[in-house]
Amino acid sequence: ILNVEQSPQSLHVQEGDSTNFTCSFPSSNFYALHWYRWETAKSPEALFVMTLNGDEKKKGRISATLNTKEGYSYLYIKGSQPEDSATYLCAAPEGGGADGLTFGKGTHLIIQP
Amino acid sequence: KAGVTQTPRYLIKTRGQQVTLSCSPISGHRSVSWYQQTPGQGLQFLFEYFSETQRNKGNFPGRFSGRQFSNSRSEMNVSTLELGDSALYLCASSPTQQGGGRDTQYFGPGTRLTVL
Repeated sequence: ILNVEQSPQSLHVQEGDSTNFTCSFPSSNFYALHWYRWETAKSPEALFVMTLNGDEKKKGRISATLNTKEGYSYLYIKGSQPEDSATYLCAAPEGGGADGLTFGKGTHLIIQP
Repeated sequence: KAGVTQTPRYLIKTRGQQVTLSCSPISGHRSVSWYQQTPGQGLQFLFEYFSETQRNKGNFPGRFSGRQFSNSRSEMNVSTLELGDSALYLCASSPTQQGGGRDTQYFGPGTRLTVL
């Protein structure tokens, strides 16, 4: 069973501010690192799948970086908006070529107007 | 394309009963994974099926089982329900184009199970 950890557990950010949070994962036998956004009353929505060390991916105001050698990924949100309020989850594959993911417990982000 | 669908959306059962949940993946997706979400434990992996075969299983008791049909639809079954089985059960499908857990997973809306 993989150990995927996220910090902080929750975060309150003023509208317009930028923020970032961390996901750490085992650096050995790395396959991929996933980021999802989960809004209340909705299904988790994929943000990024990252596979290469040094990967940087961007989707609008959200971006992510990956360091597979030290086993961490950062998610950045620039100019936070109220619609960014959600739980952000990272996940790594269970391994063995299968698609099942081990999720971290998430960072609950609240954007305050 | 239609998204992942799950039925039923809500379910109330009593301790000792059994329950079957259903998941229809996105058309063309052959991998289906199941997850349990509880407030204390977060989103936990139950099992993953590909081409009717279970490829991986999480750390859950044998009361939790699943299967996949030839059309990729999947069901999960929980026997002898316990109060602690109350949770949101999510399924996700993926196209399995890259393999090795590198494909995006697309989640259904979930089934909210309450055990009384």
